[in-house]
Amino acid sequence: SQQGEEDPQALSIQEGENATMNCSYKTSINNLQWYRQNSGRGLVHLILIRSNEREKHSGRLRVTLDTSKKSSSLLITASRAADTASYFCAMHGSGNTGKLIFGQGTTLQVKP
Amino acid sequence: EAGVAQSPRYKIIEKRQSVAFWCNPISGHATLYWYQQILGQGPKLLIQFQNNGVVDDSQLPKDRFSAERLKGVDSTLKIQPAKLEDSAVYLCASSFGASGNTIYFGEGSWLTVV
Repeated sequence: SQQGEEDPQALSIQEGENATMNCSYKTSINNLQWYRQNSGRGLVHLILIRSNEREKHSGRLRVTLDTSKKSSSLLITASRAADTASYFCAMHGSGNTGKLIFGQGTTLQVKP
Repeated sequence: EAGVAQSPRYKIIEKRQSVAFWCNPISGHATLYWYQQILGQGPKLLIQFQNNGVVDDSQLPKDRFSAERLKGVDSTLKIQPAKLEDSAVYLCASSFGASGNTIYFGEGSWLTVV
């Protein structure tokens, strides 16, 4: 299985601090995507990083990808209470037809 | 741009009853997915369509679950008969193409089986 494993499972920080979530996977990938899910809502796409990319930024988000270690990290800088949510990494395996496999997620709580 | 639409948002049924969920993907998106998300877990792919053809249904419990995408646009996911363990959120998603494209999710259909 190429399901991702996320670490930590839960993270609690104060507003203004940075939050880092890690994702590891087992097989080669075409790209890796990060999603956010607020309680009771659907998944919102945050960022997509391709296998030939090492780092991408989007606003306060920074994603890195290390294909040699089969790992990715999501950094949220200057966190806000509104960032409280679950964050999932999802992998598109290389050579497949678009099957996206999700990790178990990291639950982030940002305290005001 | 309108997002992925799903209905109903919430459904409570008794075990052994049937239920159907409907999904309308983003206009022009050829690929449509149904995921099952059990509380506290990541989404699990049930079935993937490319236009009106099934690309992957390896994790779909075919004895009770069925899905169709007639005309390659809307899709319906049916569960019959439902079991207690089917209580979950059923997420529909779509993308323009297959691998390499961003996948957009709907708000989900929350199913409780009692």
